Amino acid sequence: DAGVTQSPTHLIKTRGQQVTLRCSPKSGHDTVSWYQQALGQGPQFIFQYYEEEERQRGNFPDRFSGHQFPNYSSELNVNALLLGDSALYLCASSLVVRGSSYNEQFFGPGTRLTVL
Amino acid sequence: GEDVEQSLFLSVREGDSSVINCTYTDSSSTYLYWYKQEPGAGLQLLTYIFSNMDMKQDQRLTVLLNKKDKHLSLRIADTQTGDSAIYFCAGMDTGRRALTFGSGTRLQVQP
Repeated sequence: DAGVTQSPTHLIKTRGQQVTLRCSPKSGHDTVSWYQQALGQGPQFIFQYYEEEERQRGNFPDRFSGHQFPNYSSELNVNALLLGDSALYLCASSLVVRGSSYNEQFFGPGTRLTVL
Repeated sequence: GEDVEQSLFLSVREGDSSVINCTYTDSSSTYLYWYKQEPGAGLQLLTYIFSNMDMKQDQRLTVLLNKKDKHLSLRIADTQTGDSAIYFCAGMDTGRRALTFGSGTRLQVQP
């Protein structure tokens, strides 16, 4: 059973460019969350997708957008890249169980984005 | 929202016990988690505790929760060199199903 996969592994972009990161959730999971982890920091929640819609959003500007496909995979898009967007971008998948507040999130290995 | 704080660094000798501490501000977090991150890798869920529990033991791991002081700790018994990593505590905002992480504690295990 494949866990959460992300592509690409590493990416180098220049300021002002746009980037798309991809995530495939763990088999059986229907929810994808994206986190940004700056160097030396803990991950920060960007947003979450469920049933192909953005359900929750953290404190990130509109330059950060996403999409979820019918097969539950997801993309994270960042426009007008800034130097400060350099970070490890982590995708986490989970399964919504109605009536339960427990939500175990399984993380992928991340995509390391460097903005020059 | 949730705010989570951790000490930055801990060094122990192989075979000793390690205790990593965490404080959080939002008492509405229903679940509290401990994650491990090795260099260049994603996050691995180690264990979690439900907010109405005081303690949970899972093999070498013991989680203690003091709800009054909003303090969470992770004890690793018989620490091994393979335990060297960064450890994150995180609270789950159940309404948003989003994790709020601390800044991580780097555990260094010396042989």
